[in-house]
Amino acid sequence: AQKVTQAQTEISVVEKEDVTLDCVYETRDTTYYLFWYKQPPSGELVFLIRRNSFDEQNEISGRYSWNFQKSTSSFNFTITASQVVDSAVYFCALSESQTGANNLFFGTGTRLTVIP
Amino acid sequence: ETGVTQTPRHLVMGMTNKKSLKCEQHLGHNAMYWYKQSAKKPLELMFVYSLEERVENNSVPSRFSPECPNSSHLFLHLHTLQPEDSALYLCASSYGTSGSHNEQFFGPGTRLTVL
Repeated sequence: AQKVTQAQTEISVVEKEDVTLDCVYETRDTTYYLFWYKQPPSGELVFLIRRNSFDEQNEISGRYSWNFQKSTSSFNFTITASQVVDSAVYFCALSESQTGANNLFFGTGTRLTVIP
Repeated sequence: ETGVTQTPRHLVMGMTNKKSLKCEQHLGHNAMYWYKQSAKKPLELMFVYSLEERVENNSVPSRFSPECPNSSHLFLHLHTLQPEDSALYLCASSYGTSGSHNEQFFGPGTRLTVL
């Protein structure tokens, strides 16, 4: 079974719209970490955020915000007032204590296209 | 140079060729990784080196051979590859102390095509 599920394969929005990217994870560990990465057309994955399982406080960074809900095993990512430069593939990832801190389990990614 | 660099950016090789991918990190990290990214599949972790020792090898075929001569450099030696090995190969680095769960920083990748 996949540990990280990103059900949205592709999303298109018009510039300035808000968009939420979903991430659902699966783990039996009580200590785990969740990540979001952005992969622009240039290829490299850009780190966006890391949260640990004991910190359910939502986080906001500029136009980006993250909603961590342990009750639903979700770690959703919202972009407010989207811009063309936000067009990329976004990956959610999980690392667990039981499988080692170096093992990152990635979802299949969501391709976001922001239309001008 | 800053961050994580990879060379070459693109590589086309025949099934009988031998080639190497190179990764260099300028972040002072002590762990390095190789990932394979194929279309419509999650990133697959191939190898992990921590303090220049291989700590992870996720059932990768022996036609892929990693080498980590020091904490800043990582190589992936390729020989007798198959067409299904065509993919984007990503290198990453992090502070990799046990239990740290630190974020990994990625290079731009090498787009490999096997004919």
